[in-house]
Amino acid sequence: NAGVTQTPKFQVLKTGQSMTLQCAQDMNHNSMYWYRQDPGMGLRLIYYSASEGTTDKGEVPNGYNVSRLNKREFSLRLESAAPSQTSVYFCASSRLTGEGTDTQYFGPGTRLTVL
Amino acid sequence: AQSVTQLDSQVPVFEEAPVELRCNYSSSVSVYLFWYVQYPNQGLQLLLKYLSGSTLVKGINGFEAEFNKSQTSFHLRKPSVHISDTAEYFCAVFISNFGNEKLTFGTGTRLTIIP
Repeated sequence: NAGVTQTPKFQVLKTGQSMTLQCAQDMNHNSMYWYRQDPGMGLRLIYYSASEGTTDKGEVPNGYNVSRLNKREFSLRLESAAPSQTSVYFCASSRLTGEGTDTQYFGPGTRLTVL
Repeated sequence: AQSVTQLDSQVPVFEEAPVELRCNYSSSVSVYLFWYVQYPNQGLQLLLKYLSGSTLVKGINGFEAEFNKSQTSFHLRKPSVHISDTAEYFCAVFISNFGNEKLTFGTGTRLTIIP
């Protein structure tokens, strides 16, 4: 049981390049999330998927797109990377969303640098 | 607006001393409260959560937190810290407000244990 896995662990991009961050969970969770973590700002929600086939914007969605490929996988795409997107990205999952009692389980993170 | 405030960005503590990490939230509706811990170069994991009932919540690794509704606080405490407690700690609040449910994280407190 690997929990939540993310690839890659590290990535360096040039401004304007595109890339996709991959996330997968093996806990049969319905809901999945993408956060970014910046110094002094905590975690901010980029997008989430309450269930397979649905996605919704979070607090900071601009410059990102997501795909809920199936129940297990939720990818985050940067179409044209900008230096402001330099951050650590975390994927998380939970059994349900909107149910505030649920614990979110986090992946190990992807450290992205945009030059 | 709903928010979570962690007043201390860094807390140095000597080994075996007690520690309190402060968390305050602003909301007039029902909330669920969480503390997550992030060890170096890892994702976040749940330390403890308050959903209802007893206001004193016990978590993993000897941590506990007390929900104080009148002071809108959820401070985290441990009577005697260990080197292995060195990590960043995030308070999070889930506020259910009819269509505006979301988990909001504080900016984090970095706990450093001094041998």
